[in-house]
Amino acid sequence: EVQLVESGGGLVQPGGSLRLPCAASGFTVSSNYMSWVRQAPGKGLEWVSVIYSGGSTYYADSVKGRFTISRHNSKNTLYLQMNSLRAEDTAVYYCAREVQASSGWYYFDYWGQGTLVTVSS
Amino acid sequence: EIVLTQSPATLSLSPGERATLSCRASQSVSSYLAWYQQKPGQAPRLLIYDASNRATGIPARFSGSGSGTDFTLTISSLEPEDFAVYYCQQRRVFGPGTKVDIK
Repeated sequence: EVQLVESGGGLVQPGGSLRLPCAASGFTVSSNYMSWVRQAPGKGLEWVSVIYSGGSTYYADSVKGRFTISRHNSKNTLYLQMNSLRAEDTAVYYCAREVQASSGWYYFDYWGQGTLVTVSS
Repeated sequence: EIVLTQSPATLSLSPGERATLSCRASQSVSSYLAWYQQKPGQAPRLLIYDASNRATGIPARFSGSGSGTDFTLTISSLEPEDFAVYYCQQRRVFGPGTKVDIK
């Protein structure tokens, strides 16, 4: 059974840092495209970052230069390192697996339960 | 970058009624569009991909249609568990969502 479990959320001051792990089971993280998607309180979904199976990484403009996505293959775990946090980064952060459909396009087929990050003084 | 708009923002219906949700893309996305359902306190769930293909385990009352810039998610007869927020998505862009609530 595929499972994704995020952790590491909490309250952090503006300018601070936080690292979010996402532990996967039932599949191999390094063989898949893996993304982070966030949702501010009461708002919609916003894609944050992706790491491809080949290791390439991409970021939303809103977090570029501040967030880093990575993975630990032997732990089968995805990470999001968040630095220079701002109030507007307050959100539930989900990790999600991307699956390639027969069309060749990618969609988010499995999601974790999310972890809340609150940036406030 | 593609912008997705969804309408209406809120749809108030009764159980058993038909729900029709719309998603419009700022440029053609061919048939490469997905729909997700999100209930309060839960992660989103993939319902439809490539505009019209149901994901694994999704009931047949959910159907998707459209191509180019205009897409529709139809729930043929609303069950109590279907009252939720629905998002469309293309590439890594999400629409703002449509909330389906109980009338």
